Amino acid sequence: DAGVTQSPTHLIKTRGQQVTLRCSPKSGHDTVSWYQQALGQGPQFIFQYYEEEERQRGNFPDRFSGHQFPNYSSELNVNALLLGDSALYLCASSWGWTGYEQYFGPGTRLTVT
Amino acid sequence: GDSVTQMEGPVTLSEEAFLTINCTYTATGYPSLFWYVQYPGEGLQLLLKATKADDKGSNKGFEATYRKETTSFHLEKGSVQVSDSAVYFCALRGPTSGGSYIPTFGRGTSLIVHP
Repeated sequence: DAGVTQSPTHLIKTRGQQVTLRCSPKSGHDTVSWYQQALGQGPQFIFQYYEEEERQRGNFPDRFSGHQFPNYSSELNVNALLLGDSALYLCASSWGWTGYEQYFGPGTRLTVT
Repeated sequence: GDSVTQMEGPVTLSEEAFLTINCTYTATGYPSLFWYVQYPGEGLQLLLKATKADDKGSNKGFEATYRKETTSFHLEKGSVQVSDSAVYFCALRGPTSGGSYIPTFGRGTSLIVHP
């Protein structure tokens, strides 16, 4: 049973560029949440997708957007990258948008130079 | 808003020592509480959870009790092993009184266990 997978593993971008990160949920899960984890900090909730719609959103600017596909996989897009966007981006999946048991992927390390 | 406060790390222990990592929270409504563990280079793994007051979550020798009166969810283990070395995160998730299920994580506590 495949767990949550994310791609790519690492990414280096330049300020002002745009980036797309991808996530495939654990088998049987229909909800995907995205988190930003800065070095030495806890994960910060970005948003959650369920039934191809954004259901909940944390305190992140509109530069952060997402999408969920019919197969439940998801993308996180970040436009106009800032140095402060450098972080580990974690995807977590669960069953149902209120499902409290989340399974996390290994993350994508984004470095903005 | 909701918040989670964890004790500062790193916590450094010898193998077989007793572990306590303190966690307190501020939240409206009736949140569920969680402990996650993150090993180097990996994502977070759910360690244990409690969904209501006085519930005790337990897994792999770790325990934590949901204390509503003290708004705490301290993590304990009777005898740590070198393999327990990792970063531990306390977290809460709604529903809050406003109906939100947005998770809130603490900053994490690094545990280092020496042989």
